[in-house]
Amino acid sequence: AQKVTQAQTEISVVEKEDVTLDCVYETRDTTYYLFWYKQPPSGELVFLIRRNSFDEQNEISGRYSWNFQKSTSSFNFTITASQVVDSAVYFCALSEGGATNKLIFGTGTLLAVQP
Amino acid sequence: SQTIHQWPATLVQPVGSPLSLECTVEGTSNPNLYWYRQAAGRGLQLLFYSIGIDQISSEVPQNLSASRPQDRQFILSSKKLLLSDSGFYLCAWRVTPAGENSPLHFGNGTRLTVT
Repeated sequence: AQKVTQAQTEISVVEKEDVTLDCVYETRDTTYYLFWYKQPPSGELVFLIRRNSFDEQNEISGRYSWNFQKSTSSFNFTITASQVVDSAVYFCALSEGGATNKLIFGTGTLLAVQP
Repeated sequence: SQTIHQWPATLVQPVGSPLSLECTVEGTSNPNLYWYRQAAGRGLQLLFYSIGIDQISSEVPQNLSASRPQDRQFILSSKKLLLSDSGFYLCAWRVTPAGENSPLHFGNGTRLTVT
């Protein structure tokens, strides 16, 4: 069965610090997709990144970077030089594909960036 | 461009009253549609998904039902609300090109309080 674990419930950092949000997943499929979403205090979920199981190349987008390691079933998210606007709940999610493409979410990590 | 509309934004309903939450998508056709609920503990739980008109799958047995009377309309209903139905309800859509697992796009959510 699919499962996504975000062991860090809450993280608090001071502005300009780097922070890594952990995500560990479980799946029996060889083809799957991983996602990260951001949920700011306003509530909407904002898509950040999608990665398929065949692409282990790390990705960087501005201050955001993602480290995908199949050997440890992890898809960690790092924010460099954090800013107050990064304060949000961050969700990692897994989809095994197929016609329904259901997305299974982790429980989220609340990131608080203090000025 | 595609947009998703979800309403109302907030709702306070007494126990035992009916519920109807509506979600519509514009700018795309034949999307997959989803209802998620986010309880106070922050996790996102998949309630229903639909791959086509009148094709609804339920993930969790409960007091709620869903319908898809039109291609881009998804409705979440209840005949009698329970206190435990309180939460933040999110509608989402995705298109599913063959061989690809596109991200979910979420509406702004409905915050339901059952009193």
